[in-house]
Amino acid sequence: DQQVKQNSPSLSVQEGRISILNCDYTNSMFDYFLWYKKYPAEGPTFLISISSIKDKNEDGRFTVFLNKSAKHLSLHIVPSQPGDSAVYFCAASITSGTYKYIFGTGTRLKVLA
Amino acid sequence: DADVTQTPRNRITKTGKRIMLECSQTKGHDRMYWYRQDPGLGLRLIYYSFDVKDINKGEISDGYSVSRQAQAKFSLSLESAIPNQTALYFCATSAPGGGNQPQHFGDGTRLSIL
Repeated sequence: DQQVKQNSPSLSVQEGRISILNCDYTNSMFDYFLWYKKYPAEGPTFLISISSIKDKNEDGRFTVFLNKSAKHLSLHIVPSQPGDSAVYFCAASITSGTYKYIFGTGTRLKVLA
Repeated sequence: DADVTQTPRNRITKTGKRIMLECSQTKGHDRMYWYRQDPGLGLRLIYYSFDVKDINKGEISDGYSVSRQAQAKFSLSLESAIPNQTALYFCATSAPGGGNQPQHFGDGTRLSIL
Protein backbone atom coordinates (compact mmCIF):
# COMPACT_ATOMS: atom_id res chain seq x y z
CA ASP A 1 0.00 0.00 0.00
CA GLN A 2 1.59 3.20 -1.21
CA GLN A 3 1.07 5.77 1.53
CA VAL A 4 2.66 8.59 -0.46
CA LYS A 5 1.78 8.88 -4.13
CA GLN A 6 3.06 10.98 -6.96
CA ASN A 7 0.67 10.17 -9.74
CA SER A 8 2.49 12.03 -12.49
CA PRO A 9 5.69 10.24 -13.47
CA SER A 10 6.78 13.10 -15.68
CA LEU A 11 6.09 16.75 -16.42
CA SER A 12 7.37 19.14 -19.10
CA VAL A 13 7.24 22.90 -18.67
CA GLN A 14 8.54 25.84 -20.68
CA GLU A 15 11.31 27.91 -19.16
CA GLY A 16 9.92 30.85 -17.24
CA ARG A 17 6.55 29.23 -16.59
CA ILE A 18 5.28 27.67 -13.39
CA SER A 19 5.96 24.01 -12.58
CA ILE A 20 3.48 22.32 -10.25
CA LEU A 21 4.35 18.94 -8.83
CA ASN A 22 1.73 17.07 -6.85
CA CYS A 23 1.80 14.54 -4.04
CA ASP A 24 -1.01 12.75 -2.22
CA TYR A 25 -0.85 10.81 1.01
CA THR A 26 -3.19 8.45 2.79
CA ASN A 27 -1.97 8.41 6.40
CA SER A 28 -3.54 11.25 8.38
CA MET A 29 -0.86 10.82 11.05
CA PHE A 30 1.81 12.32 8.78
CA ASP A 31 2.68 15.75 10.10
CA TYR A 32 5.86 16.70 8.29
CA PHE A 33 6.48 16.76 4.57
CA LEU A 34 9.56 17.31 2.47
CA TRP A 35 10.53 17.65 -1.15
CA TYR A 36 13.79 16.35 -2.52
CA LYS A 37 15.39 16.93 -5.88
CA LYS A 38 17.54 14.35 -7.60
CA TYR A 39 19.88 14.78 -10.54
CA PRO A 40 21.23 11.77 -12.46
CA ALA A 41 24.16 10.02 -10.78
CA GLU A 42 23.62 11.99 -7.58
CA GLY A 43 21.74 11.38 -4.38
CA PRO A 44 18.53 13.23 -3.54
CA THR A 45 19.05 16.65 -2.01
CA PHE A 46 16.66 18.33 0.38
CA LEU A 47 14.71 21.17 -1.20
CA ILE A 48 11.94 22.42 1.08
CA SER A 49 9.70 21.17 3.86
CA ILE A 50 6.45 22.00 5.60
CA SER A 51 4.94 21.15 8.93
CA SER A 52 1.28 20.23 9.16
CA ILE A 53 0.63 23.31 11.28
CA LYS A 54 1.23 25.41 8.18
CA ASP A 55 -0.41 25.45 4.79
CA LYS A 56 2.36 27.18 2.89
CA ASN A 57 6.12 27.49 3.01
CA GLU A 58 8.17 29.52 0.61
CA ASP A 59 11.88 29.56 -0.20
CA GLY A 60 12.87 31.70 -3.14
CA ARG A 61 11.37 30.25 -6.31
CA PHE A 62 10.03 27.21 -4.45
CA THR A 63 6.74 27.11 -2.57
CA VAL A 64 5.11 24.11 -0.98
CA PHE A 65 1.39 24.08 -0.28
CA LEU A 66 -0.31 21.66 2.08
CA ASN A 67 -4.01 20.83 2.05
CA LYS A 68 -4.56 18.57 5.05
CA SER A 69 -8.23 17.97 4.42
CA ALA A 70 -7.43 16.68 0.95
CA LYS A 71 -4.21 14.98 2.09
CA HIS A 72 -2.46 16.72 -0.73
CA LEU A 73 0.69 18.76 -1.13
CA SER A 74 2.18 20.49 -4.08
CA LEU A 75 5.48 22.08 -5.01
CA HIS A 76 5.40 25.20 -7.14
CA ILE A 77 8.50 26.40 -8.95
CA VAL A 78 8.27 29.91 -10.35
CA PRO A 79 9.85 30.74 -12.70
CA SER A 80 11.06 27.37 -13.90
CA GLN A 81 14.62 27.16 -15.16
CA PRO A 82 16.40 24.49 -17.21
CA GLY A 83 18.55 23.68 -14.16
CA ASP A 84 15.39 22.61 -12.36
CA SER A 85 15.14 19.59 -14.65
CA ALA A 86 15.42 16.66 -12.24
CA VAL A 87 13.38 14.00 -10.47
CA TYR A 88 11.41 15.35 -7.52
CA PHE A 89 10.42 13.15 -4.59
CA CYS A 90 7.97 14.06 -1.89
CA ALA A 91 8.32 12.42 1.51
CA ALA A 92 6.23 12.31 4.67
CA SER A 93 6.94 11.49 8.28
CA ILE A 94 5.32 11.28 11.69
CA THR A 95 7.48 13.47 13.90
CA SER A 96 6.49 11.75 17.13
CA GLY A 97 7.05 8.31 15.72
CA THR A 98 10.08 6.41 14.55
CA TYR A 99 11.30 9.22 12.33
CA LYS A 100 11.05 7.16 9.18
CA TYR A 101 10.26 8.91 5.98
CA ILE A 102 7.93 7.44 3.39
CA PHE A 103 8.86 8.53 -0.10
CA GLY A 104 6.74 8.92 -3.18
CA THR A 105 7.74 7.39 -6.50
CA GLY A 106 9.04 10.64 -7.96
CA THR A 107 8.12 12.98 -10.80
CA ARG A 108 10.61 13.73 -13.55
CA LEU A 109 10.48 17.43 -14.41
CA LYS A 110 11.85 18.66 -17.70
CA VAL A 111 12.12 22.40 -18.20
CA LEU A 112 12.35 23.27 -21.86
CA ALA A 113 14.52 26.19 -22.92
CA ASP B 1 34.66 16.28 -0.11
CA ALA B 2 31.22 14.77 0.05
CA ASP B 3 29.54 14.70 3.46
CA VAL B 4 28.10 11.23 2.83
CA THR B 5 30.35 8.89 0.85
CA GLN B 6 29.29 5.58 -0.59
CA THR B 7 31.63 2.93 -1.94
CA PRO B 8 31.68 1.42 -4.43
CA ARG B 9 29.73 3.65 -6.82
CA ASN B 10 29.10 0.79 -9.19
CA ARG B 11 29.27 -2.95 -8.76
CA ILE B 12 28.45 -5.88 -10.99
CA THR B 13 28.45 -9.30 -9.40
CA LYS B 14 26.98 -12.77 -9.74
CA THR B 15 24.10 -14.48 -8.04
CA GLY B 16 25.08 -16.05 -4.72
CA LYS B 17 27.99 -13.74 -3.99
CA ARG B 18 28.29 -11.84 -0.73
CA ILE B 19 28.46 -8.09 -1.21
CA MET B 20 29.12 -5.22 1.12
CA LEU B 21 28.23 -1.62 0.41
CA GLU B 22 29.88 0.94 2.61
CA CYS B 23 28.81 4.36 3.79
CA SER B 24 30.77 6.91 5.75
CA GLN B 25 29.79 10.41 6.80
CA THR B 26 31.48 13.52 8.09
CA LYS B 27 28.31 15.32 9.15
CA GLY B 28 28.49 14.10 12.74
CA HIS B 29 24.95 12.76 12.53
CA ASP B 30 23.84 9.93 14.76
CA ARG B 31 21.17 8.62 12.44
CA MET B 32 21.97 6.64 9.33
CA TYR B 33 19.76 4.88 6.79
CA TRP B 34 19.96 2.54 3.82
CA TYR B 35 17.45 2.82 0.97
CA ARG B 36 17.04 1.18 -2.37
CA GLN B 37 15.54 2.83 -5.41
CA ASP B 38 13.79 0.87 -8.10
CA PRO B 39 12.11 2.32 -11.19
CA GLY B 40 8.53 3.26 -10.40
CA LEU B 41 8.88 2.44 -6.71
CA GLY B 42 10.69 5.42 -5.29
CA LEU B 43 12.96 5.06 -2.26
CA ARG B 44 12.29 2.21 0.12
CA LEU B 45 13.89 1.89 3.55
CA ILE B 46 16.00 -1.21 4.16
CA TYR B 47 17.55 -0.54 7.59
CA TYR B 48 18.14 2.39 9.86
CA SER B 49 20.29 3.10 12.89
CA PHE B 50 19.93 5.87 15.45
CA ASP B 51 23.26 5.20 17.11
CA VAL B 52 25.99 2.58 17.15
CA LYS B 53 24.00 0.22 19.37
CA ASP B 54 20.65 0.75 17.69
CA ILE B 55 19.76 -1.09 14.47
CA ASN B 56 16.23 -1.32 13.09
CA LYS B 57 14.63 -3.06 10.15
CA GLY B 58 12.92 -1.01 7.52
CA GLU B 59 10.16 -2.06 5.17
CA ILE B 60 12.27 -4.35 2.95
CA SER B 61 15.04 -5.83 5.13
CA ASP B 62 14.77 -9.46 3.98
CA GLY B 63 18.00 -10.59 2.31
CA TYR B 64 20.01 -7.73 3.79
CA SER B 65 22.02 -7.14 6.95
CA VAL B 66 23.81 -4.08 8.29
CA SER B 67 26.64 -3.18 10.59
CA ARG B 68 27.20 0.13 12.36
CA GLN B 69 30.92 0.04 12.95
CA ALA B 70 31.14 3.58 14.29
CA GLN B 71 29.06 6.71 14.42
CA ALA B 72 30.38 7.62 10.99
CA LYS B 73 30.16 4.22 9.29
CA PHE B 74 27.18 2.11 8.30
CA SER B 75 27.56 -0.81 5.92
CA LEU B 76 24.96 -2.86 4.09
CA SER B 77 25.53 -6.51 3.23
CA LEU B 78 23.81 -8.84 0.83
CA GLU B 79 24.68 -12.27 2.17
CA SER B 80 23.79 -14.15 -1.00
CA ALA B 81 22.91 -11.77 -3.79
CA ILE B 82 19.98 -12.47 -6.10
CA PRO B 83 19.03 -10.71 -9.35
CA ASN B 84 15.99 -8.90 -7.88
CA GLN B 85 18.37 -7.04 -5.59
CA THR B 86 19.65 -5.20 -8.63
CA ALA B 87 18.91 -1.58 -7.78
CA LEU B 88 20.33 1.80 -6.87
CA TYR B 89 21.25 1.92 -3.18
CA PHE B 90 21.46 5.10 -1.14
CA CYS B 91 22.84 5.80 2.28
CA ALA B 92 21.50 8.79 4.20
CA THR B 93 22.07 10.55 7.51
CA SER B 94 20.04 12.88 9.65
CA ALA B 95 20.51 14.86 12.83
CA PRO B 96 18.56 14.01 15.99
CA GLY B 97 15.39 15.96 16.65
CA GLY B 98 12.49 13.90 15.51
CA GLY B 99 10.96 13.29 12.15
CA ASN B 100 11.47 16.85 11.00
CA GLN B 101 15.15 16.63 10.19
CA PRO B 102 15.99 16.40 6.50
CA GLN B 103 18.02 13.43 5.42
CA HIS B 104 21.30 13.92 3.61
CA PHE B 105 22.05 11.37 0.93
CA GLY B 106 25.16 9.92 -0.61
CA ASP B 107 25.43 9.68 -4.38
CA GLY B 108 24.39 6.06 -4.47
CA THR B 109 25.75 2.66 -5.42
CA ARG B 110 24.46 1.10 -8.61
CA LEU B 111 24.40 -2.65 -8.03
CA SER B 112 23.80 -5.19 -10.77
CA ILE B 113 23.45 -8.87 -9.98
CA LEU B 114 23.72 -11.25 -12.88
